[in-house]
Amino acid sequence: NAGVMQNPRHLVRRRGQEARLRCSPMKGHSHVYWYRQLPEEGLKFMVYLQKENIIDESGMPKERFSAEFPKEGPSILRIQQVVRGDSAAYFCASSPLGQGATETQYFGPGTRLLVL
Amino acid sequence: KQEVTQIPAALSVPEGENLVLNCSFTDSAIYNLQWFRQDPGKGLTSLLLIQSSQREQTSGRLNASLDKSSGRSTLYIAASQPGDSATYLCAVGSGTYKYIFGTGTRLKVLA
Repeated sequence: NAGVMQNPRHLVRRRGQEARLRCSPMKGHSHVYWYRQLPEEGLKFMVYLQKENIIDESGMPKERFSAEFPKEGPSILRIQQVVRGDSAAYFCASSPLGQGATETQYFGPGTRLLVL
Repeated sequence: KQEVTQIPAALSVPEGENLVLNCSFTDSAIYNLQWFRQDPGKGLTSLLLIQSSQREQTSGRLNASLDKSSGRSTLYIAASQPGDSATYLCAVGSGTYKYIFGTGTRLKVLA
């Protein structure tokens, strides 16, 4: 059973470009969570999605950031018009039951975004 | 608002020592607490998950305890090895969906 997969593992973008980060949850998991880890900081919750639904996006910046989890395919975290402050590691986690913090979330290896 | 603090921020010990990592949280109304290991450039590996009704969990050389009333958890590592060198993260399940993470303890075990 493959773990949570994220790609790309490393992404370099110039200011103003778009970044697309992909996350494939573990097999059988239909709940996905995105976290961001800024340099020298802890991971911070961004958004929680189920298939075709955003359940909680309270941690996501209001502008330039969006997330989706379509019926088919991976979850996508999209950052438009990237700025240097977006440089961070973005982690995706998945869980089977959607009980969130009452159950283990399984984390992917992360995508390290560098904005030049 | 839940805040999670980990002390110390960094720790360097000789191989074979027993050590304790500390995690404190400000709101005792938690669902669970989880300890993770993060290796440089890698993802997070779950080490131990303690539900709010539990006092401790053990896995091999690792033991994690939870004291909700005082807002504290400790991760005990017995007979440390160089392979234990990593950043250890404490995460509190404070709401239905989200974990609140501490900033971690960077551990280096010297051979």
